Amino acid sequence: QVQLVQSGGGVVQPGRSLRLSCAASGFTFSGYAMHWVRQAPGKGLEWVAFISYDGGDKDYADSVKGRFTISRDNSKNKIYLQMNSLRLEDTAVYFCAKGLRYSDSFYFDHWGQGTLVSVSS
Amino acid sequence: SYVLTQPPSVSGAPGQTVRITCGGNNIGGQPVHWYQKKPGQAPVLVVYDVFARPSGIPERFSGSSSGNTATLTISRVEDGDEADYFCQVWESSRNHQGVFGGGTKLSVL
Repeated sequence: QVQLVQSGGGVVQPGRSLRLSCAASGFTFSGYAMHWVRQAPGKGLEWVAFISYDGGDKDYADSVKGRFTISRDNSKNKIYLQMNSLRLEDTAVYFCAKGLRYSDSFYFDHWGQGTLVSVSS
Repeated sequence: SYVLTQPPSVSGAPGQTVRITCGGNNIGGQPVHWYQKKPGQAPVLVVYDVFARPSGIPERFSGSSSGNTATLTISRVEDGDEADYFCQVWESSRNHQGVFGGGTKLSVL
């Protein structure tokens, strides 16, 4: 069965960096796009970043563009989210998600367990 | 950027039918997806491509879309359906970005 197991996260000061990881199993990892989605405390879901199946295409939410970098290692079945210049408003539970494509649209059929990133001075 | 609008809350007694709407400009012309989110848990896909259900999701969950409104309908509501529900589309006109609605809290009375 599909499993997405996340690691990383924690408490970090504003302006510092943090890296999240997501290890995938149970499917042909190199054949699927992957995404990061977050949920700030008491708020809704916010899509953060996308990486294509081969890593050749990436896209980011405007709120993180230029600060966050998504990457993947298909030999290790992992994706990463490098978060630099963290801000208080980046505090959230971060989820990795497996993307499925329909026409011009992506949706997310399996999710990691979530990991809390808390930006605090 | 594209905006999806959901009511903050809906409620219904067990056994009733509840409908959660998701408003967006011409949303009826694109695939819409719905997620159930319970506190402390990962989201669960309940409807994709407007009205398709993943395996394991009860037939009580159904979707529809037309014009500027998409709707998630939950028939014969159960206590276990109490959760937040989010609609989602993929914006590919300007750049490629996922867009979620603000979420609707379903309370089972």
